[in-house]
Amino acid sequence: RKEVEQDPGPFNVPEGATVAFNCTYSNSASQSFFWYRQDCRKEPKLLMSVYSSGNEDGRFTAQLNRASQYISLLIRDSKLSDSATYLCVVRGGGFKTIFGAGTRLFVKA
Amino acid sequence: SQTIHQWPATLVQPVGSPLSLECTVEGTSNPNLYWYRQAAGRGLQLLFYSVGIGQISSEVPQNLSASRPQDRQFILSSKKLLLSDSGFYLCAWSDLRAGETQYFGPGTRLLVL
Repeated sequence: RKEVEQDPGPFNVPEGATVAFNCTYSNSASQSFFWYRQDCRKEPKLLMSVYSSGNEDGRFTAQLNRASQYISLLIRDSKLSDSATYLCVVRGGGFKTIFGAGTRLFVKA
Repeated sequence: SQTIHQWPATLVQPVGSPLSLECTVEGTSNPNLYWYRQAAGRGLQLLFYSVGIGQISSEVPQNLSASRPQDRQFILSSKKLLLSDSGFYLCAWSDLRAGETQYFGPGTRLLVL
């Protein structure tokens, strides 16, 4: 089993749609969780950290479920500019940081 | 504000040739530094990390090496490149004040022929 697993997609959605991504992790001792966004042939950029209580940043909402060992990202009112690959990132103790392979999102007009 | 630079942006090298990729960080001191590789269509793989000058930890066995000659400089090297070394190499930094969130440089795209 991979340490961090994501549905690779692609997710094809129309503008204005709501889309959700899930990510599962295997190490129950994982401490920090993040979502990054990566545009084609660019570096990953931090989208948001994921807190135990859940957190929201504009149209983006992240949730953490420690019992089931998954995190989620919800995007509301999708924009064309949201098209990208979304990387789930899990950090354990020390410096071990595991990146998921990413979920590709295409938002169409 | 902090910035991270990598060069070169792209590189085409023959098999067996040496490699040197450089990463520098500005606007912070004593950062943790990381080298990742991303193969086409795959996730990021952590290659090396460093918590200070001269301190390098390797995550995977390979023909690559890393060095940190200065606080904000991180170098990735190879004596002889393999075809399998092709990929997108990303340098990142983090520190405790930023909650250990990692911030990436623009990357170097390496093609070994």
